[in-house]
Amino acid sequence: KNQVEQSPQSLIILEGKNCTLQCNYTVSPFSNLRWYKQDTGRGPVSLTIMTFSENTKSNGRYTATLDADTKQSSLHITASQLSDSASYICVVSASGNTPLVFGKGTRLSVIA
Amino acid sequence: DGGITQSPKYLFRKEGQNVTLSCEQNLNHDAMYWYRQDPGQGLRLIYYSQIVNDFQKGDIAEGYSVSREKKESFPLTVTSAQKNPTAFYLCASRPTRDSLYREQFFGPGTRLTVL
Repeated sequence: KNQVEQSPQSLIILEGKNCTLQCNYTVSPFSNLRWYKQDTGRGPVSLTIMTFSENTKSNGRYTATLDADTKQSSLHITASQLSDSASYICVVSASGNTPLVFGKGTRLSVIA
Repeated sequence: DGGITQSPKYLFRKEGQNVTLSCEQNLNHDAMYWYRQDPGQGLRLIYYSQIVNDFQKGDIAEGYSVSREKKESFPLTVTSAQKNPTAFYLCASRPTRDSLYREQFFGPGTRLTVL
């Protein structure tokens, strides 16, 4: 069964610190993996997207990595800001027009 | 101003009533999706449509209905048969052709509360 597991479920960090969120997946055949940021009460917004051949993709202070062999991805946030407080969702796409597979998300709280 | 719009942002309904949530996109995307999000849960797929006049059930279609009469519009009706309809509903769209990544774009969501 196609699944995406994220850890931790929630995380609290001090402003200015770095953090790393994890995503493991069992989606096959793999097409691409996206990380989305979702603010409370809003729709998710894409941060990064990676295909099979890409190991790293950056978007400002966000850096995503992908290991297609171990089927793992991580999202690293550098020098966190209060505005980074949100849920981060890992989403994996299989080849073809099949529906996306969503993780449950990691709820990040950045405190002053 | 391109994108996906959902209306209303907040919706209240009495138990036993049907209600329709609106979703419109001007991105010229072929595929449209409806998801439900509950606290602490991932997004769950209700219905999706790859082309006009065609749609498929997702994982939790019971108690919901949709139509796709126009490419731009994909309204969702929450019927009285849906036993626990209070949730945050998200509409999304993505191209199915001419795009390597076929990124899915989300609307701002509608929060439905059943009183």
